[in-house]
Amino acid sequence: AQSVAQPEDQVNVAEGNPLTVKCTYSVSGNPYLFWYVQYPNRGLQFLLKYITGDNLVKGSYGFEAEFNKSQTSFHLKKPSALVSDSALYFCAVRARRGYSTLTFGKGTMLLVSP
Amino acid sequence: EAQVTQNPRYLITVTGKKLTVTCSQNMNHEYMSWYRQDPGLGLRQIYYSMNVEVTDKGDVPEGYKVSRKEKRNFPLILESPSPNQTSLYFCASRQGSEADTQYFGPGTRLTVL
Repeated sequence: AQSVAQPEDQVNVAEGNPLTVKCTYSVSGNPYLFWYVQYPNRGLQFLLKYITGDNLVKGSYGFEAEFNKSQTSFHLKKPSALVSDSALYFCAVRARRGYSTLTFGKGTMLLVSP
Repeated sequence: EAQVTQNPRYLITVTGKKLTVTCSQNMNHEYMSWYRQDPGLGLRQIYYSMNVEVTDKGDVPEGYKVSRKEKRNFPLILESPSPNQTSLYFCASRQGSEADTQYFGPGTRLTVL
């Protein structure tokens, strides 16, 4: 069975500092990997995805993520955090075979302080 | 505007009173699904549909039903709601490829008393 681990329930960072939200996954074969963000009282918004090719994926709002196959990780990063980045972030994985569900991690709350 | 819509957005009901949460997408997507979000558990898939008249169980299907009579609509039915179904529900859709991005509705917050 496929799974996603987001080891930190909460990440705190000061505005202007770099941020990292961690994600590791377990799936049979090669994965499709996704990051979503959820603002309070809103649905999930797509940030970025890894399909194939360059291991560094760039997405919306200045976010990027690096696919590391050997470490089965897909950490979300941003060089300079904004207070408006404060939200709940979800990592998700889907296998590349036949039909496969999108499995989510439990989410990491990012709090950016002024 | 391309979107997934859900109604109602908020619902308070009582145990045993049947309810339906509607979901509609205007992107001609083949695949639709329902998730529930609970604190500390992330999102868990309830049911999904790969196309009209094709539905299957997700990870937590007990107590729910779905139907897919039209491509754009995928209602979630709770025949006899119970308090443990109090949750935040999301409908989502995507095209048929596994690489495609899944788009989510705004959510329905359900409270069962």
